[in-house]
This record gives sequence, C-alpha cells and structure tokens, in this order.
Amino acid sequence: QKEVEQNSGPLSVPEGAIASLNCTYSDRGSQSFFWYRQYSGKSPELIMFIYSNGDKEDGRFTAQLNKASQYVSLLIRDSQPSDSATYLCAVLAAGNNRKLIWGLGTSLGVNP
Amino acid sequence: DTEVTQTPKHLVMGMTNKKSLKCEQHMGHRAMYWYKQKAKKPPELMFVYSYEKLSINESVPSRFSPECPNSSLLNLHLHALQPEDSALYLCASSQESGGATDTQYFGPGTRLTVL
Repeated sequence: QKEVEQNSGPLSVPEGAIASLNCTYSDRGSQSFFWYRQYSGKSPELIMFIYSNGDKEDGRFTAQLNKASQYVSLLIRDSQPSDSATYLCAVLAAGNNRKLIWGLGTSLGVNP
Repeated sequence: DTEVTQTPKHLVMGMTNKKSLKCEQHMGHRAMYWYKQKAKKPPELMFVYSYEKLSINESVPSRFSPECPNSSLLNLHLHALQPEDSALYLCASSQESGGATDTQYFGPGTRLTVL
C-alpha cells in the first residue's frame, strides 16, 4: 500500500518565524512531489513541486527532497498570518496512471 | 494562466433530483479529473479523463456519471444521491505530459449538499 505521512499538527509558529512542514512516503519509485495549500472551505492551491534531490526555492517557500530517505519538506520563511492553512503533501505514484497519493495534511497557524 | 473554473459554486439537491456539475479549463491540458473531498480529509480521486477518454474510474457508484464533451469541458452528472455524498467536489486538470512533470491544478470546487 503506497502511503504518504504528514504530522497532522496543528503546528503553531509566531509571525516572522520559519515554519517547517514534513512529509514521508513509502513508494521508493515515486518521482514527483507536490505541496498544496488549502484554506478552510476552499480548494487546494499548488505551492511548490519538486522532482530532483535537493532544494527548490520560490519566494518565501523552499521545498527539500531527499529520495534516499524518502522525505520531502516545505519551509516557509517569514511566516505571515495569511499562511495559516492546511498544507497537503502529494506524491505522484510511479507507473502510468496519474494518481496522486495524498497525506492527511498539516494544519499551520501563524500567530501575529 | 492556471485557471480551472467550476459551476455551480454551491448546490443543494434532494435524493431524487438529477443535477450536473461543470468544469472548464483553457490551458490546453489533456487530462481532467474529478475528486471528492470531505471535511478534514485529503481529496479522493473519482475519475480521470485522458485525451477525452475515461482512463481511471476509482470504483465510483453509478449514481455519479462523468462526461467529457471536449478537451476543455468535464461534467459530472448526479442522480439519486445519498446524504453521505455531500462534500466538496473538485475538478483538476494537467498537461498529461506522460512524465514526472505532470502537475494538477484545481478549480474552486462545488459544495454539494444532499438532503
């Protein structure tokens, strides 16, 4: 059974701090990794995707991938109250189908 | 432009009603998806269309019937639903590049309530 695990939280950080969100996956053949942000009652919004080992930066967001450890993380620098949301980690299953395997999400709260 | 649109935003229907959800994208994507999401759960895949053909049906009950009239449009026809089908229904699309770079973009969703 292919699985993606995240700490459910809630994770609480003060405004301006770095928020660190973690995700592990079981399928060693996985190649693509996605972070989606979801505000309550809204749809998932793509934040970052990463395919290669190492870091990928986009503004205040950095995704880190370590395929040997089967671990992907999302760092949010200078956290803002508007970053308060649930962050979903999704992994594209190896093979020909287009199925994303989802974690249960981590709830992040940024306190002013 | 990474916009996927969905109508209606909200839908309330009785168990004997027939209704349809609509999804549209103009990004030239060739894969389109329907998901169902319950509160505090991740999206749950229902159907995938690839090049306008149904490629994945995740054993969804027949009271949900998908349709892909063309490469930009995706419908979900609803009939004889149950109250437990109340959820946020999400449409997504991706390029269908066939590789690791295929990225799914979601529409705003339709909040469905079955009475």
